[in-house]
Amino acid sequence: DAGVIQSPRHEVTEMGQEVTLRCKPISGHDYLFWYRQTMMRGLELLIYFNNNVPIDDSGMPEDRFSAKMPNASFSTLKIQPSEPRDSAVYFCASRGGRPKTEAFFGQGTRLTVV
Amino acid sequence: AQKVTQAQTEISVVEKEDVTLDCVYETRDTTYYLFWYKQPPSGELVFLIRRNSFDEQNEISGRYSWNFQKSTSSFNFTITASQVVDSAVYFCALSEGGNQGGKLIFGQGTELSVKP
Repeated sequence: DAGVIQSPRHEVTEMGQEVTLRCKPISGHDYLFWYRQTMMRGLELLIYFNNNVPIDDSGMPEDRFSAKMPNASFSTLKIQPSEPRDSAVYFCASRGGRPKTEAFFGQGTRLTVV
Repeated sequence: AQKVTQAQTEISVVEKEDVTLDCVYETRDTTYYLFWYKQPPSGELVFLIRRNSFDEQNEISGRYSWNFQKSTSSFNFTITASQVVDSAVYFCALSEGGNQGGKLIFGQGTELSVKP
């Protein structure tokens, strides 16, 4: 298996633009997580899905952020409009089966909003 | 609500020293799972170990060992005879196992620097 695949790896955009981050989880995994990593806040959970259904989005910072999982093999995290404070590394992770299993992470997307 | 605290933000040691990374967790569930991940300078997150709440047996894997104590809600990680390649940020994580189980949260991470 290729592991969790995120795209793009790097994104530089201007303030106010829409940004879409993409994630392909490991085949057969039924949990998908989106995290944001910054120096100040560490690794924050933004939202997670189980069987394509959002279970907890309490970590989504504000309405500018939205996430979807239209099918078991694809998820997006969208920021519209983007702001400089959204600059961070965004990780997607997936996990198979029950909560006892470990999550596997993608390589992350480094987002810079200028 | 679940919470993970890694009080040590940064630790610096000299090669061959032993070092312990602390992790304290909070949960109301009786069934839960604990994890450690490593994030080397290259940035990827690498899984190291998981424990479930029913298994307090300590674990050793080479130079790595983990001490799980439910009485103090701690899951500490010790590296014996540290090496420069151990330099990384280490994260402790918690997943509850109840009906809303699945949420995986991380501590703030401890940045370990091992100097030659």
